[in-house]
Amino acid sequence: NAGVTQTPKFQVLKTGQSMTLQCAQDMNHNSMYWYRQDPGMGLRLIYYSASEGTTDKGEVPNGYNVSRLNKREFSLRLESAAPSQTSVYFCASSEAYYGYTFGSGTRLTVV
Amino acid sequence: AQSVAQPEDQVNVAEGNPLTVKCTYSVSGNPYLFWYVQYPNRGLQFLLKYITGDNLVKGSYGFEAEFNKSQTSFHLKKPSALVSDSALYFCAVRDIKHQAGTALIFGKGTTLSVSS
Repeated sequence: NAGVTQTPKFQVLKTGQSMTLQCAQDMNHNSMYWYRQDPGMGLRLIYYSASEGTTDKGEVPNGYNVSRLNKREFSLRLESAAPSQTSVYFCASSEAYYGYTFGSGTRLTVV
Repeated sequence: AQSVAQPEDQVNVAEGNPLTVKCTYSVSGNPYLFWYVQYPNRGLQFLLKYITGDNLVKGSYGFEAEFNKSQTSFHLKKPSALVSDSALYFCAVRDIKHQAGTALIFGKGTTLSVSS
């Protein structure tokens, strides 16, 4: 089915470990985004990529890096995980203002 | 600074009754406004958007939203609620400070509970 695919769905990390969250879309969208969702705080933008080859910081970029590998794929890396990064991470893609398509999320726990 | 507010953490309605989920915004210039719904353990799904044109916007699943410029509001409505409408609803506004202009600022969300 067409959409946004995120892997993994669940992950537990120890403080200081690193990991990469993968995201791929098959809708030929130009823009891709990474958000984190925390209870009572809604969704906050971590990084986004307006088009292939470009990335930009969002509201909460500290502790994260991203790579727009090609038009389809946009990965999020945690270099040294901290408990404050325990969250649900959503990748999304869009074309202009036609609305975002979200992945199903990655539930990350840092202990 | 741009922002969007959802003043109610939870809205409770009985099945068959009309529902309203409130959203107010603060932006520079013309707002681009969106509503999304999230079912448990799922990603968000797009419901509807307002960019320009008619103040009443119709979207998916029988939802509609009314843009009110004077009150800076964009309330989500449905004439007759269903139990299956129970979910978490997010209002969002375009964040113009990002160069590409397609990033969104989301509200904190409103939980809608429809009782049978």
